Amino acid sequence: KAGVTQTPRYLIKTRGQQVTLSCSPISGHRSVSWYQQTPGQGLQFLFEYFSETQRNKGNFPGRFSGRQFSNSRSEMNVSTLELGDSALYLCASGSGGPAYEQYFGPGTRLTVT
Amino acid sequence: KNEVEQSPQNLTAQEGEFITINCSYSVGISALHWLQQHPGGGIVSLFMLSSGKKKHGRLIATINIQEKHSSLHITASHPRDSAVYICAAGSQGNLIFGKGTKLSVKP
Repeated sequence: KAGVTQTPRYLIKTRGQQVTLSCSPISGHRSVSWYQQTPGQGLQFLFEYFSETQRNKGNFPGRFSGRQFSNSRSEMNVSTLELGDSALYLCASGSGGPAYEQYFGPGTRLTVT
Repeated sequence: KNEVEQSPQNLTAQEGEFITINCSYSVGISALHWLQQHPGGGIVSLFMLSSGKKKHGRLIATINIQEKHSSLHITASHPRDSAVYICAAGSQGNLIFGKGTKLSVKP
């Protein structure tokens, strides 16, 4: 099976712009979760989608949003970018049960200048 | 106090040594995950535990639900084990992560 893919892998944006990141899960997986990793805060949970519905949400401002399509592919959007949004954004897919193994993508490294 | 605490933060070992990384959590969980992250960012899931003990090759993970504590053991460590090991606790994809343990194994 192909692994989790994320596009783009690298992105440079300017403060105030918006960005959309994409995640394609492993075939058959119904859950996609998004995480932000920074040197200062480490890994933090953004949100989780299951069957096109946001099931869980982390403690991030409303500028961070996402969605999931019927084929389980997911996108996350960050509007009005701030310098502090520079991070590695990781998505992970899984079966979506109460506890399931997470399969991580390679991440998108976003730099905001 | 962080909800998921790992120790030690950094660990240097000689090849062949037995290694233990500890993780304590204060949140309710459905499962505890152990992850490995190599330089460059890629994260691999090593274990998902909700009780007891699991073993994959030279890696062993244990969890004590009553004490809210988990350990990751590496037997006969090898330089290729050098990576950051991260524990994460929670339910479904809603995970709280430890700060990670940076392991360096010297030949």
